[in-house]
Amino acid sequence: DTEVTQTPKHLVMGMTNKKSLKCEQHMGHRAMYWYKQKAKKPPELMFVYSYEKLSINESVPSRFSPECPNSSLLNLHLHALQPEDSALYLCASSQTKRTGVDIQYFGAGTRLSVL
Amino acid sequence: KNEVEQSPQNLTAQEGEFITINCSYSVGISALHWLQQHPGGGIVSLFMLSSGKKKHGRLIATINIQEKHSSLHITASHPRDSAVYICAGPMYSGGGADGLTFGKGTHLIIQP
Repeated sequence: DTEVTQTPKHLVMGMTNKKSLKCEQHMGHRAMYWYKQKAKKPPELMFVYSYEKLSINESVPSRFSPECPNSSLLNLHLHALQPEDSALYLCASSQTKRTGVDIQYFGAGTRLSVL
Repeated sequence: KNEVEQSPQNLTAQEGEFITINCSYSVGISALHWLQQHPGGGIVSLFMLSSGKKKHGRLIATINIQEKHSSLHITASHPRDSAVYICAGPMYSGGGADGLTFGKGTHLIIQP
């Protein structure tokens, strides 16, 4: 099983809402990632988790709050988002956090629209 | 941070043509990734290479460490190869905690 599952596939939320994105993998990977991809742009790294601990935060605004409750699950909690946060949010996982060594497996993404 | 440059940004070709996509990168990258993204959004890893050449079906990836350059080739291209192809490398040098930094992608269309 080389699947990374993201839910929901689509999400529409207002600027005052609180919502969460979920990402799950059962490959035994110990590194998990959130990327943000705007239309016609490449993905941009947001967060890296390694062994359930936050390893990298790429200066992401606090309205995005990641959480890694266990080695298989990664959440992204959203609160008070802005319309410019509308994007495709991609989750990925890899055996370890060393991207010079390990392949990353990507989920299909959550397409988020903020109204 | 490492930087990755990719060309061309758009490429339209006829079925059967040999396709080449180029990628150059800054110092500190220990391995380069080639990925494919279809219109639905999902990204699939095609290759990860740190030296030489790898082949998978009609896809071939090469890397020249000294010149900091990599190429992705598609032989006997087919309309189902139409997708965005992205090269990516570790965001930071040093080989530790990392995410990927991506090139801008090549939007490939293969016409029948």
